[in-house]
Amino acid sequence: SQTIHQWPATLVQPVGSPLSLECTVEGTSNPNLYWYRQAAGRGLQLLFYSVGIGQISSEVPQNLSASRPQDRQFILSSKKLLLSDSGFYLCAWDAGFAYNEQFFGPGTRLTVL
Amino acid sequence: KQEVTQIPAALSVPEGENLVLNCSFTDSAIYNLQWFRQDPGKGLTSLLLIQSSQREQTSGRLNASLDKSSGRSTLYIAASQPGDSATYLCAVRHSTGNQFYFGTGTSLTVIP
Repeated sequence: SQTIHQWPATLVQPVGSPLSLECTVEGTSNPNLYWYRQAAGRGLQLLFYSVGIGQISSEVPQNLSASRPQDRQFILSSKKLLLSDSGFYLCAWDAGFAYNEQFFGPGTRLTVL
Repeated sequence: KQEVTQIPAALSVPEGENLVLNCSFTDSAIYNLQWFRQDPGKGLTSLLLIQSSQREQTSGRLNASLDKSSGRSTLYIAASQPGDSATYLCAVRHSTGNQFYFGTGTSLTVIP
């Protein structure tokens, strides 16, 4: 069966510090991978998605970036965090076909102080 | 741009009651619609996926319907239980790409 992991589970970072969140998927090959942010009281916002290694599409211009160094690894990064980057970050995957379900990881709670 | 709305934002019902959650979307050009459950501080758990060509899907006490032409979906929960308390989100997948659009959810509380 497929499993999706995210770490860390929680993170508290000062403004201006760098960020690296990691997501890995097990039990599948060539998944589509997604990064979402869920801010308090708001819906999920799609940040990035990837259909293959090195292929990243950005949905929202901001100071975040994403990379996919391996087939089942997706990394969300920032060089300098802003207060507005606080939120709940969720990684998700699907099988790469339009008719498949999307599955989510457990999330990372990021607080920028 | 696709907009997804869920009404009501919050709902409180006594245990055992049947209930309906609503989801509406503005653009009918969708591949599918997915219902999720989210417990506080947790990720999303997939409940049901309805393809654009389907009218409904059932899983246990859950039944989801889709009326693509009118831009509506409903999630019916039968014989609600306290363990059903969570936030329920719907999401639509656009027909032209990998974009998903989420509603802001309905927070459900089932009172014992």
